[in-house]
Amino acid sequence: KNEVEQSPQNLTAQEGEFITINCSYSVGISALHWLQQHPGGGIVSLFMLSSGKKKHGRLIATINIQEKHSSLHITASHPRDSAVYICAVRELQGAQKLVFGQGTRLTINP
Amino acid sequence: KAGVTQTPRYLIKTRGQQVTLSCSPISGHRSVSWYQQTPGQGLQFLFEYFSETQRNKGNFPGRFSGRQFSNSRSEMNVSTLELGDSALYLCASTRAVGQGGLNTEAFFGQGTRLTVV
Repeated sequence: KNEVEQSPQNLTAQEGEFITINCSYSVGISALHWLQQHPGGGIVSLFMLSSGKKKHGRLIATINIQEKHSSLHITASHPRDSAVYICAVRELQGAQKLVFGQGTRLTINP
Repeated sequence: KAGVTQTPRYLIKTRGQQVTLSCSPISGHRSVSWYQQTPGQGLQFLFEYFSETQRNKGNFPGRFSGRQFSNSRSEMNVSTLELGDSALYLCASTRAVGQGGLNTEAFFGQGTRLTVV
């Protein structure tokens, strides 16, 4: 079982729909990151969370430390939101490295 | 403020050769991490450097190595290339935020896409 699990793996929606991507993890963490990767390969950091909720424009990220679960929400989705969204956690112990989920491929159709 | 710069963007090598990839972090960032991304394995941690010292290393064979220079620029080297080394190699420049430096925001480069034929 992977230490970081994302769902769904693929998501297709119509423009304007509300999108939710989920991330569950099994290790102790100091922070959780939501990343966005476009087809060119570059990765953009969207959020870094250690508790609660953060909002940036149409994007909202929440984390529940007790339940070891985080969600990324996109309101009023747009075709330019189409990308792979990756959840990554920073291990609290050991190497304190980033451990990544497999990603969620989001496609927003016009 | 310039972002993380990786060079080259694309590279084709043959089996058995060696390759060196470069990463220039954001100015002022002293920590650089390297990651390998493949369709089958996703993103995996290679190693992390801070102030010219390797802090952490992932589960990769000794053919994968790296170093960091006094200006924080980092290189990673892969020797005796195998077909399975074909991947997108990403580096991330990190700065410690918060107490103890545990919450570290990562800024990624565009990656180097390596194809081994």
